[in-house]
Amino acid sequence: AQKVTQAQTEISVVEKEDVTLDCVYETRDTTYYLFWYKQPPSGELVFLIRRNSFDEQNEISGRYSWNFQKSTSSFNFTITASQVVDSAVYFCALSEARRSQGNLIFGKGTKLSVKP
Amino acid sequence: NAGVTQTPKFRVLKTGQSMTLLCAQDMNHEYMYWYRQDPGMGLRLIHYSVGEGTTAKGEVPDGYNVSRLKKQNFLLGLESAAPSQTSVYFCASTRGGNYNEQFFGPGTRLTVL
Repeated sequence: AQKVTQAQTEISVVEKEDVTLDCVYETRDTTYYLFWYKQPPSGELVFLIRRNSFDEQNEISGRYSWNFQKSTSSFNFTITASQVVDSAVYFCALSEARRSQGNLIFGKGTKLSVKP
Repeated sequence: NAGVTQTPKFRVLKTGQSMTLLCAQDMNHEYMYWYRQDPGMGLRLIHYSVGEGTTAKGEVPDGYNVSRLKKQNFLLGLESAAPSQTSVYFCASTRGGNYNEQFFGPGTRLTVL
């Protein structure tokens, strides 16, 4: 069965610390897609990144980086030199190719608090 | 481009009342979704539509109905609201398929007393 686990419910760091948000997924599909979304205190969901199952290259975008490892079914998200504006709930999500409707299966989210 | 909009932003209902949540998108997307977000539960799919005139059930469809009469609109109805339907409701749309990211509306916070 498909599932996304974000074991860290809440994380609190001090500004400028690095922080890694964990995401572990389960799927029987060989083709699937992984996503990260950010939900700031204002409530909207903001798309951060997409990765397909055939592309295990890590990705870096500014202070954000993602580590995708199929061997451990993980798609972890690291924020380097965190800032107060990074405070949000972060969701990891999975979409399976066999599900033509394309809906996302979300983890329960990790609430990140960055204190000044 | 407004993206995905939702009406209303907030609503309080009494048990047994009905209401309709409206989602509109101006990106010409084929696929649209309704999710609900509850504390500690992430987002769960209620219903979805892969095109105008089509709808299908998601993970938690009970107590809800939907309609997609126009491509740009996706309506979520509660016929007889229950306290268990107190939640934040998000609408999303995408071009289609599994690869494309979904664009989300700002959410509707619904309280059922």
